[in-house]
Amino acid sequence: DTEVTQTPKHLVMGMTNKKSLKCEQHMGHRAMYWYKQKAKKPPELMFVYSYEKLSINESVPSRFSPECPNSSLLNLHLHALQPEDSALYLCASSQAFGGSSYNEQFFGPGTRLTVL
Amino acid sequence: ILNVEQSPQSLHVQEGDSTNFTCSFPSSNFYALHWYRWETAKSPEALFVMTLNGDEKKKGRISATLNTKEGYSYLYIKGSQPEDSATYLCAFHMEYGNKLVFGAGTILRVKS
Repeated sequence: DTEVTQTPKHLVMGMTNKKSLKCEQHMGHRAMYWYKQKAKKPPELMFVYSYEKLSINESVPSRFSPECPNSSLLNLHLHALQPEDSALYLCASSQAFGGSSYNEQFFGPGTRLTVL
Repeated sequence: ILNVEQSPQSLHVQEGDSTNFTCSFPSSNFYALHWYRWETAKSPEALFVMTLNGDEKKKGRISATLNTKEGYSYLYIKGSQPEDSATYLCAFHMEYGNKLVFGAGTILRVKS
């Protein structure tokens, strides 16, 4: 199974809502990532988890809160978002993070988030 | 700030045409260069991981070359087919860093 799944596919939320994005992989990968992509822009790294611990937070606002409950699951909790946070949120995983790894990442299809 | 540039931004070709596009990246602290293919509403799919200057990789009708000294990689598609229509992303993997920095992609549309 080389698939990374993400739910939901689409999400519309108001600025006062609390919602969560979910990501799952069963490849035994120990690194998981959240990216944000706006139209016609590169995917931008938000967070990296390695062995279920947060390794990188790219100065993401606290209204985005990641969580890695176990090595297969990655969540992104959303609260008090702004309309400019509307984007495609991609999850990825890789065997490892850092060291001698070439860090080949496997991606999910993304969640399309709209904040009203 | 690391800059990874891809050109052209988009490309429309006829079925059977051969095409190529470019990824430019910093020539220092190079570790690897990744190419991904991303069809609409699907997951980005890894095509190649290129690590050595002069590397050439091939998968079917798609091939890629790498020049780390001047900081560019070319992706070639021979005899384009409608199913090649996708966004092609490159990502720079810097030495001593553990992150991938992506370009904005080249959108390829192949008309039958």
